[in-house]
Amino acid sequence: TQLLEQSPQFLSIQEGENLTVYCNSSSVFSSLQWYRQEPGEGPVLLVTVVTGGEVKKLKRLTFQFGDARKDSSLHITAAQTGDTGLYLCAGERGDYKLSFGAGTTVTVRA
Amino acid sequence: NAGVTQTPKFQVLKTGQSMTLQCAQDMNHNSMYWYRQDPGMGLRLIYYSASEGTTDKGEVPNGYNVSRLNKREFSLRLESAAPSQTSVYFCASTVGGGQGEYFGAGTRLSVL
Repeated sequence: TQLLEQSPQFLSIQEGENLTVYCNSSSVFSSLQWYRQEPGEGPVLLVTVVTGGEVKKLKRLTFQFGDARKDSSLHITAAQTGDTGLYLCAGERGDYKLSFGAGTTVTVRA
Repeated sequence: NAGVTQTPKFQVLKTGQSMTLQCAQDMNHNSMYWYRQDPGMGLRLIYYSASEGTTDKGEVPNGYNVSRLNKREFSLRLESAAPSQTSVYFCASTVGGGQGEYFGAGTRLSVL
């Protein structure tokens, strides 16, 4: 059983559309991180959120940490083909260890 | 700046063979990790080293051993490989404090 549940598992959209990926848990985290992984490579950190209710924006990507620090979402506006990849959320509970979700595979079609 | 370097990139073993996966980071990070990634299961922690001189078990440690050789290097050893250990292995490091982990490119291991 995954500590962090990601949904949806797969997402296929047309270029220019918006998408949202969700990451939910019953546990409280001291921080939550989002990574993107491309085929044949390791995950690359996108953002870390640490405060309940925090919203961070990176260009077309918006990340939100839930008020209770149990859930998070990633929203991409006007998706581009370069946004294609596996998106992973990971939570830290202050014990040096991350727990990862199973990931959401995003495909953006031209 | 190389970041996190893993060797080898690919490996094929026969059941019962042993091997060591090497990992080195040049970012002066305190903490280092070994994960395995299997389809549909995300990344699962095998072992980690919060600081030089310490190692601890993660979620799936059975069949593996680790050595934190110095601050830069953290190796993962399979003493007697089994087909269930076929996976992609990632090493990662972090400065800590929720600052995020930096990953190597991975080792793709097949055990026949």
